[in-house]
Amino acid sequence: QKEVEQNSGPLSVPEGAIASLNCTYSDRGSQSFFWYRQYSGKSPELIMFIYSNGDKEDGRFTAQLNKASQYVSLLIRDSQPSDSATYLCAVWPQGAQKLVFGQGTRLTINP
Amino acid sequence: NAGVTQTPKFQVLKTGQSMTLQCAQDMNHNSMYWYRQDPGMGLRLIYYSASEGTTDKGEVPNGYNVSRLNKREFSLRLESAAPSQTSVYFCASTVSTDTQYFGPGTRLTVL
Repeated sequence: QKEVEQNSGPLSVPEGAIASLNCTYSDRGSQSFFWYRQYSGKSPELIMFIYSNGDKEDGRFTAQLNKASQYVSLLIRDSQPSDSATYLCAVWPQGAQKLVFGQGTRLTINP
Repeated sequence: NAGVTQTPKFQVLKTGQSMTLQCAQDMNHNSMYWYRQDPGMGLRLIYYSASEGTTDKGEVPNGYNVSRLNKREFSLRLESAAPSQTSVYFCASTVSTDTQYFGPGTRLTVL
């Protein structure tokens, strides 16, 4: 079992709809969770981080964390074509010295 | 703050040539990382340095060496480049288990 798993996609969503990206992780003691966005040919950039169970909202983005289910998700409301990118889930396992990344989900927003 | 900087941005090598990729950060981060990313693939960790004076292997260290020159700088060396090392290389840095910040990347082609 991979440490961090994401649906590889691609995920296609119509403009204006909600895009839902999901991630599961294996280390139950993980404390820090991150979502990065990567445009083609560019480096990953941080969108959201979340440390506590529940929801965290920032503009059109909402991160959701459920530690009991070892599940973290990212919702993008009112999706725009500019949201088309690969989204990387990342988790910091307990006691680890490095972040563990999922393989990424490619998201396409169709006008 | 420049954040994380990488040089060069692009490089073409012939098989067997050597080169060093440079990375520097001005955020006073303790930990630095080198990743490679092949087309359509996720990030793979090559080497990392959890603190000044230490380096450790990641998932794919073969064919690479690193030097943590000081707290700011972390270089990646290819001693004898091979076509399989054609990739985009990202440097990143972080403080403890906090957000990891990425440099713009170096696109390397080995002929």
